[in-house]
Amino acid sequence: DTAVSQTPKYLVTQMGNDKSIKCEQNLGHDTMYWYKQDSKKFLKIMFSYNNKELIINETVPNRFSPKSPDKAHLNLHINSLELGDSAVYFCASDGGSGANVLTFGAGSRLTVL
Amino acid sequence: SQQGEEDPQALSIQEGENATMNCSYKTSINNLQWYRQNSGRGLVHLILIRSNEREKHSGRLRVTLDTSKKSSSLLITASRAADTASYFCATDGGGYNKLIFGAGTRLAVHP
Repeated sequence: DTAVSQTPKYLVTQMGNDKSIKCEQNLGHDTMYWYKQDSKKFLKIMFSYNNKELIINETVPNRFSPKSPDKAHLNLHINSLELGDSAVYFCASDGGSGANVLTFGAGSRLTVL
Repeated sequence: SQQGEEDPQALSIQEGENATMNCSYKTSINNLQWYRQNSGRGLVHLILIRSNEREKHSGRLRVTLDTSKKSSSLLITASRAADTASYFCATDGGGYNKLIFGAGTRLAVHP
């Protein structure tokens, strides 16, 4: 069973559209994250939720809205997509050992045309 | 701003050789971690070293940490083609659940 699963794996869309990426973890972790990896492989944290509560929002544009219906799910909705949103988006979770060791999903590659 | 920076950006070696990657960071940390990312996949946690530790081993991996120089190194001994991947250091600065990643080192191990 995949510990952290993201869907879709690939997403190609036009500028201006709205899209969502879903993430689910079956590890029983309390904390989940969204990271963005750009074309140069630089990985940047976007959001973090702890038990459905937003705890980190790293100056991400308002067009990005995370939603956590329960602690096993963290979805990312993006409005009015722009070319610069093209990237690979990774979901991750943290088991709460205090050391912030992350388990990542396989990533969702978003291409905005 | 980015916390960790890896050096070199890319490394190409032959199977059986050792690979050394370095990471520098800017602020104080609770721990430093190394992750591996195979092409098209998510990151996988390799090893964690705490701020009060200087060296740690796990299989063919050896990590050192020098907090006075704010730097860490990852040594992979007797490399294999399967070690080909990008390697990232990540620092836990003690901020609430916030792990900051460097830009990674791309390692290519040739058979």
